[in-house]
Amino acid sequence: GNSVTQMEGPVTLSEEAFLTINCTYTATGYPSLFWYVQYPGEGLQLLLKATKADDKGSNKGFEATYRKETTSFHLEKGSVQVSDSAVYFCALRGGNAGKSTFGDGTTLTVKP
Amino acid sequence: GAGVSQSPRYKVAKRGQDVALRCDPISGHVSLFWYQQALGQGPEFLTYFQNEAQLDKSGLPSDRFFAERPEGSVSTLKIQRTQQEDSAVYLCASSKGQGAVEKLFFGSGTQLSVL
Repeated sequence: GNSVTQMEGPVTLSEEAFLTINCTYTATGYPSLFWYVQYPGEGLQLLLKATKADDKGSNKGFEATYRKETTSFHLEKGSVQVSDSAVYFCALRGGNAGKSTFGDGTTLTVKP
Repeated sequence: GAGVSQSPRYKVAKRGQDVALRCDPISGHVSLFWYQQALGQGPEFLTYFQNEAQLDKSGLPSDRFFAERPEGSVSTLKIQRTQQEDSAVYLCASSKGQGAVEKLFFGSGTQLSVL
């Protein structure tokens, strides 16, 4: 079945540092890939997505590129802010358009 | 409504009690999902509805878990004879369509504690 493996956390960075959170996946067919974010006290919300190989999703300074050859969808941001402190989940939704499969989440803390 | 609404926000149950968790998806959203999220883990799939049809219930952990969406909008997840291992956050999500490109809109979840 489908699976998502995320870099283990927690991750602690200083403000303006570069962020990478690794995500790799296993799936049949051609899934869509997503990053969801959960800010403290809030529900999960979509951060960005990519629906086919070599697509780049971007939002709020975050980027991730759908790499079919390495089955990866790593999240990056060039300069993190304190307000980026949250839990980040990598997910995929399969070609049969049913359930989404999530990674275990990576907690990011950004210190001023 | 503006977003996915779940109630109650918190539920404490004694072991053996039955509980019912409600989800009100975004109006017009065809697909509805229930997920279970244990502390420190990602959401685990429970079941999926397309309108009123339950298309996938492969994630329901036992026959104590039952979900319905009789009119294709509001959904209820029922857990009978709750056990301590049922303690988790139960998330509901909906999407406008059924395609793989569709993003999920999540509710804030119901945190269930079984004592």
